[in-house]
Amino acid sequence: DQQVKQNSPSLSVQEGRISILNCDYTNSMFDYFLWYKKYPAEGPTFLISISSIKDKNEDGRFTVFLNKSAKHLSLHIVPSQPGDSAVYFCAASAPLGYGGSQGNLIFGKGTKLSVKP
Amino acid sequence: NAGVTQTPKFRVLKTGQSMTLLCAQDMNHEYMYWYRQDPGMGLRLIHYSVGEGTTAKGEVPDGYNVSRLKKQNFLLGLESAAPSQTSVYFCASKAAGRGNQPQHFGDGTRLSIL
Repeated sequence: DQQVKQNSPSLSVQEGRISILNCDYTNSMFDYFLWYKKYPAEGPTFLISISSIKDKNEDGRFTVFLNKSAKHLSLHIVPSQPGDSAVYFCAASAPLGYGGSQGNLIFGKGTKLSVKP
Repeated sequence: NAGVTQTPKFRVLKTGQSMTLLCAQDMNHEYMYWYRQDPGMGLRLIHYSVGEGTTAKGEVPDGYNVSRLKKQNFLLGLESAAPSQTSVYFCASKAAGRGNQPQHFGDGTRLSIL
């Protein structure tokens, strides 16, 4: 049973436009959410995170929105650039000790973003 | 400024052979992790360690063993490699302490079992 779901395997966006990547989760214990970016033949790189006490976190062109009631988060990239083309992974964790959690990350399957010039 | 370093980067094994993957981090992190990534899948946790001398099982531990004899190193062993273990293996580390911290990843080891 997938606890973190990224239902869109791929997304294509024109350069300069907004990219919106979505992620849904099922475990209401999750309180920390992250987005990682991965280029081919490289490891995932941490991009941005959000704690469940917030509903928005912004870092430059990247903004993550969290809707706890819908168990949904999204990553907005504005404006999108060709260098943003990569696979984006959503991840979540529950607090250590809650429901047997060890505080480990649970990853979605990723969304491949292509930004066209 | 190395961060998390994985060796080797590539390896081809025959079924039944054994090998050890090495992960080294220079950030003095307490926590270390081994993941595997398969096509169309997210990262799945194999084993992890919350400190020197400790290890614990993750989501997919069967067929793997780990050791954390030194704080900076986390070794992943395959005693008898199987084709199902063909994958890309990622190591990660994380600082302990107050509040949530992100994990930092190495560039992976691509392992093929024939």
